[in-house]
Amino acid sequence: QLQLQESGPGLVKPSETLSLTCTVSGGSVSSSSYYWGWIRQPPGKGLEWIGSIYYSGSTSYNPSLMSRVTISVDTSKNQFSLKLSSVTAADTAVYYCARLVRGGERRFDYWGQGTLVTVSS
Amino acid sequence: QSALTQPASVSGSPGQSITISCTGTSSDVGGYNYVSWYQHHPGKAPKLMIYDVSSRPSGVSNRFSGSKSGNTASLTISGLRAEDEADYYCSSYTSTSTWLFGGGTKLTVL
Repeated sequence: QLQLQESGPGLVKPSETLSLTCTVSGGSVSSSSYYWGWIRQPPGKGLEWIGSIYYSGSTSYNPSLMSRVTISVDTSKNQFSLKLSSVTAADTAVYYCARLVRGGERRFDYWGQGTLVTVSS
Repeated sequence: QSALTQPASVSGSPGQSITISCTGTSSDVGGYNYVSWYQHHPGKAPKLMIYDVSSRPSGVSNRFSGSKSGNTASLTISGLRAEDEADYYCSSYTSTSTWLFGGGTKLTVL
């Protein structure tokens, strides 16, 4: 059974960089059948797609966050990571990592439990 | 990119059916059959309930069904049960190779 687990600091200061890692078990980030993505949910609000990455390193980002986001993949550790720079209180959210199926049946089929990141001094 | 539009809340009694709508544009919901629906109980991982507009993953009850007409997709839950009470989100692939989610709908089982 595939499992995804987010990890990283739960508190980040304004203007600093938020860094999270998603560790994948029970499957491989090197699979050609999937992308790997980050989604967040601010308190009391809906889900927002942040971006996705393929094992080759090819990325796609939400245009509203593109200038501040970097997603990378480490196939040797079976992990992928999120960096969000110049954070403000508006970036406070639960951050989820998820697997995105490629091809003709696209969907986020497995999700991590999520990790709350608070931006505060 | 604006979020897909969902009603903030819907409710129904046990055994009844409810429908949640998800409205987008011709550049997302209307242009692709990559619409999916997720059930989210607070504090837990979102769960995929419907993908490709109307397909159900293995293990998801056939009480859940999806459809689409034009720029609006819909999730119908029949035979409502107490455990169906949750937040539901739609999602769609877009013409710019990105993903949009809806604002979420809180389902209350009365």
